[in-house]
Amino acid sequence: EPEVTQTPSHQVTQMGQEVILRCVPISNHLYFYWYRQILGQKVEFLVSFYNNEISEKSEIFDDQFSVERPDGSNFTLKIRSTKLEDSAMYFCASRFSGRAGQPQHFGDGTRLSIL
Amino acid sequence: KQEVTQIPAALSVPEGENLVLNCSFTDSAIYNLQWFRQDPGKGLTSLLLIQSSQREQTSGRLNASLDKSSGRSTLYIAASQPGDSATYLCAVRLGQNAGGTSYGKLTFGQGTILTVHP
Repeated sequence: EPEVTQTPSHQVTQMGQEVILRCVPISNHLYFYWYRQILGQKVEFLVSFYNNEISEKSEIFDDQFSVERPDGSNFTLKIRSTKLEDSAMYFCASRFSGRAGQPQHFGDGTRLSIL
Repeated sequence: KQEVTQIPAALSVPEGENLVLNCSFTDSAIYNLQWFRQDPGKGLTSLLLIQSSQREQTSGRLNASLDKSSGRSTLYIAASQPGDSATYLCAVRLGQNAGGTSYGKLTFGQGTILTVHP
């Protein structure tokens, strides 16, 4: 069964450094998402991406964050200057289409640790 | 702003018991509701999706119901097994936005940690 894959599984970065988290969504999906889960807290929506542009973003997704679909298969989340509070599990998700409410499929996540 | 709450926060049951997990949401104008399972350190596995027009969905030993008007959903697990031990999350997707397009943002509850002991 096709699945969403994320790399790396664990990223350790010094505060202030840039980090790029990578995702390969399911191939025929059209909608893409990033969520994050700080340890012990709820899963929180960051951003949705459709038709090569951001369709919705949360207040968490400030100017330090950006997303890109550089080559038609990868979907990346970049954090420009990481802060300690960016430490979390980051999940990528994808969905087939807008009709009739298809489920979102999630990857296994990237654990980001900021030192 | 949509708020999603799950009770209980944790549940420990002996193997073989039937159990119910609860999810409530404050804004009943949802498009659908999705139940997930999360194993420690892992991603989210989709279990069931209920559209706003549906009352329930079943998959194997799992049955999810939806009462949209009262803002509630339940996940029923029959004949629980130790392998069912995990965190169960519910997430709601709001309905169409003012522009007529819904991009699918999910709002999650905090989860119920289920332990099924042999």
